[in-house]
Amino acid sequence: GAVVSQHPSRVICKSGTSVKIECRSLDFQATTMFWYRQFPKQSLMLMATSNEGSKATYEQGVEKDKFLINHASLTLSTLTVTSAHPEDSSFYICSVKSDRNYEQYFGPGTRLTVT
Amino acid sequence: EDKVVQSPLSLVVHEGDTVTLNCSYEVTNFRSLLWYKQEKKAPTFLFMLTSSGIEKKSGRLSSILDKKELFSILNITATQTGDSAVYLCAVNGGSNYKLTFGKGTLLTVNP
Repeated sequence: GAVVSQHPSRVICKSGTSVKIECRSLDFQATTMFWYRQFPKQSLMLMATSNEGSKATYEQGVEKDKFLINHASLTLSTLTVTSAHPEDSSFYICSVKSDRNYEQYFGPGTRLTVT
Repeated sequence: EDKVVQSPLSLVVHEGDTVTLNCSYEVTNFRSLLWYKQEKKAPTFLFMLTSSGIEKKSGRLSSILDKKELFSILNITATQTGDSAVYLCAVNGGSNYKLTFGKGTLLTVNP
């Protein structure tokens, strides 16, 4: 069965609104989760590392005030795209690092379309 | 900065052919190299390699790592149309276990 879930799987929103994406670890606790973004025909780019109970670590070029990450529990991290614009339309994928064996498991992804 | 380079970027073959996909890397603190297959959705895990020279095999797919030359190959024998996908190579390095991905190889298997 699925190890990591993401919700929603697909979302369409209007420009200027905010969208929250949830990533849940279903089988184990995860102190660390990762958020990736993938544009069409491109590879996955790491956006940020989400750490339970502390601030996220953002990759160079990713605006932390625009992409708000909250890792409030050992099984849930959320990514909020604030004031979304059409150029934020992308496939957002989270991965969860198991605290037990350090392997990473990907969620099914969320396709965001901003109109 | 960690770097992963995959080649070729795209490949078109006929069913039954054998293909070899390449991945070279530069990483500060190597932990493992991973191969994923991506179709329409999120990547699905294929292999994780940590030691040089030990082949990992799953059905028609196999992979091996060379830590001295800093590369890995993914072989697919007797290809089928269902093997058509983007194959991603990623390196796990650094103190926080983050993955750095290559651009992927788009494999198209024609009947």
